Amino acid sequence: DAKTTQPNSMESNEEEPVHLPCNHSTISGTDYIHWYRQLPSQGPEYVIHGLTSNVNNRMASLAIAEDRKSSTLILHRATLRDAAVYYCILRGTTSGTYKYIFGTGTRLKVLA
Amino acid sequence: NAGVTQTPKFQVLKTGQSMTLQCAQDMNHEYMSWYRQDPGMGLRLIHYSVGAGITDQGEVPNGYNVSRSTTEDFPLRLLSAAPSQTSVYFCASSPLTSGSSNEQFFGPGTRLTVL
Repeated sequence: DAKTTQPNSMESNEEEPVHLPCNHSTISGTDYIHWYRQLPSQGPEYVIHGLTSNVNNRMASLAIAEDRKSSTLILHRATLRDAAVYYCILRGTTSGTYKYIFGTGTRLKVLA
Repeated sequence: NAGVTQTPKFQVLKTGQSMTLQCAQDMNHEYMSWYRQDPGMGLRLIHYSVGAGITDQGEVPNGYNVSRSTTEDFPLRLLSAAPSQTSVYFCASSPLTSGSSNEQFFGPGTRLTVL
């Protein structure tokens, strides 16, 4: 299974942009890059996913390196509600590779 | 849609007891999975299924059994509970669409304590 590497923790000031990095040097050509977050005392929730091109949605943006060996989740204006653990996950699209393996994630602290 | 539901929300067991954690989804998702999350840790995959009658092991399958007789239900059985299985258990589901990868929906979790 392809692995991801994330910093253990990051801090950001409220209303400033946050860039959360993820390395996935063993990614295969058919792996999608998913991001989930887990708010305190809740289950994980989907944030965004992409394959090759950068992606935007109402929650965040995902910037994917040209060689796909790294990606960055961008929160454009962090709020206190964005304090959570953010997980970067690779998910395959062929038989035997569908499973999601969560790593340790990045704990984001947002300072008021 | 109710989404992904899990029962019970809380459970206390004695060492050696067995029980089944229930998980159901009403979104007709092919993929379902079970995770455990120990305090302060990330999620670890226990078992997963890509459709009725098809299950496979995740990262930490020992001590747990699953079956998938219908698309909707994916119960997790603890065979003989041990204190090391004290954890929060999450069930999740997602569609499997050929050529794409889709969002995984999580249930609210079951908090299990084994004494």
